[in-house]
Amino acid sequence: ETGVTQSPTHLIKTRGQQVTLRCSSQSGHNTVSWYQQALGQGPQFIFQYYREEENGRGNFPPRFSGLQFPNYSSELNVNALELDDSALYLCASSSGTQPGYGYTFGSGTRLTVV
Amino acid sequence: DAKTTQPPSMDCAEGRAANLPCNHSTISGNEYVYWYRQIHSQGPQYIIHGLKNNETNEMASLIITEDRKSSTLILPHATLRDTAVYYCIVRAHLSGSARQLTFGSGTQLTVLP
Repeated sequence: ETGVTQSPTHLIKTRGQQVTLRCSSQSGHNTVSWYQQALGQGPQFIFQYYREEENGRGNFPPRFSGLQFPNYSSELNVNALELDDSALYLCASSSGTQPGYGYTFGSGTRLTVV
Repeated sequence: DAKTTQPPSMDCAEGRAANLPCNHSTISGNEYVYWYRQIHSQGPQYIIHGLKNNETNEMASLIITEDRKSSTLILPHATLRDTAVYYCIVRAHLSGSARQLTFGSGTQLTVLP
């Protein structure tokens, strides 16, 4: 059973640019969630995709968008990057029918905006 | 989801039990208590969850008070590899819909040799 893999592991972007982060979910999981974790803080929910549709969103602006593909992998896109977008971005997959203990997290993508 | 309160940091001697408290005084009857931990440079890892009975698995034990307003995660024999930030989360079971995990700041547990 493979876990959740995220790519790239590290990324440096310039303010105003756009970035795409990728996540491969764990085998058998059909739900993907994305979290942003600023330094020294707990992860904050961005949005969740279930069967290729967004079915929940946290307090993040529309320039944060995502996709889920038929194989349940996912992308997080951030447009017009700001310095405050510098953070660890975590992807978590789960089975849509499982409660909270079903979440498997990847190791994240460290994004630095300069 | 109910808010949780945890101490920002704790130390524990290697080989001793680590007892991590969590207050969740506004927990609702249908909300479960979950514990996750995050080792440095890794994503959060599920540890255990419970509703009102005490729970034990291969990683830890969870003790929930009778009024469910607080709980304690117990690592019976802490090792250096247990050094991590531990998050207590309360949420309801809702399958097939967006029920995100709401993380607080957690407790930084440092296991000392």
